[in-house]
Amino acid sequence: DGGITQSPKYLFRKEGQNVTLSCEQNLNHDAMYWYRQDPGQGLRLIYYSQIVNDFQKGDIAEGYSVSREKKESFPLTVTLAQKNPTAFYLCASRVNTGDMGGELFFGEGSRLTVL
Amino acid sequence: SQKIEQNSEALNIQEGKTATLTCNYTNYSPAYLQWYRQDPGRGPVFLLLIRENEKEKRKERLKVTFDTTLKQSLFHITASQPADSATYLCALYNYGQNFVFGPGTRLSVLP
Repeated sequence: DGGITQSPKYLFRKEGQNVTLSCEQNLNHDAMYWYRQDPGQGLRLIYYSQIVNDFQKGDIAEGYSVSREKKESFPLTVTLAQKNPTAFYLCASRVNTGDMGGELFFGEGSRLTVL
Repeated sequence: SQKIEQNSEALNIQEGKTATLTCNYTNYSPAYLQWYRQDPGRGPVFLLLIRENEKEKRKERLKVTFDTTLKQSLFHITASQPADSATYLCALYNYGQNFVFGPGTRLSVLP
């Protein structure tokens, strides 16, 4: 079955550690996204990538880094510079239709808790 | 400033009634608007898309309207069921930009 797989589903980070969240898709989508979700707020865009080896900052990129070496994979690293990393992280992809439409396909999310 | 709001954080309705959820936005000119359903601890799932030149879209028990003059979209679930209980997110897409999501409305359908 085609879809997006995020791992791990739950992650606990100690102070002073970088963590990397995995996102893999087999939908053959060009565009991939990382969102952060906090209670009472809409999804906020961290980074996105329209094609392999290219990515752009979203609205809240500070303290995060990404790579896009393969079409299928878009890992997110939460670095020490991220002051409040506890959140629910969602990866998504879509066919790169630009302004023509097309929905986002989401993974099941990764919940990161800083101890 | 740009803003996207959903009418209420939570909405309770009786089974069988029509649920109406509201999405309002300011200072955006969206190419289209989408509605997603999100269950607790899960990723959102796409439901419907409506374009700026469309007034209404339907899919089974779901109906979406889009009024670009009022800068508002309404999302209706007719003959609601307890299984419809979830959080519903609206998302608008600006030309040449990315999706912007509202905070969501948590719908509870009471048996």
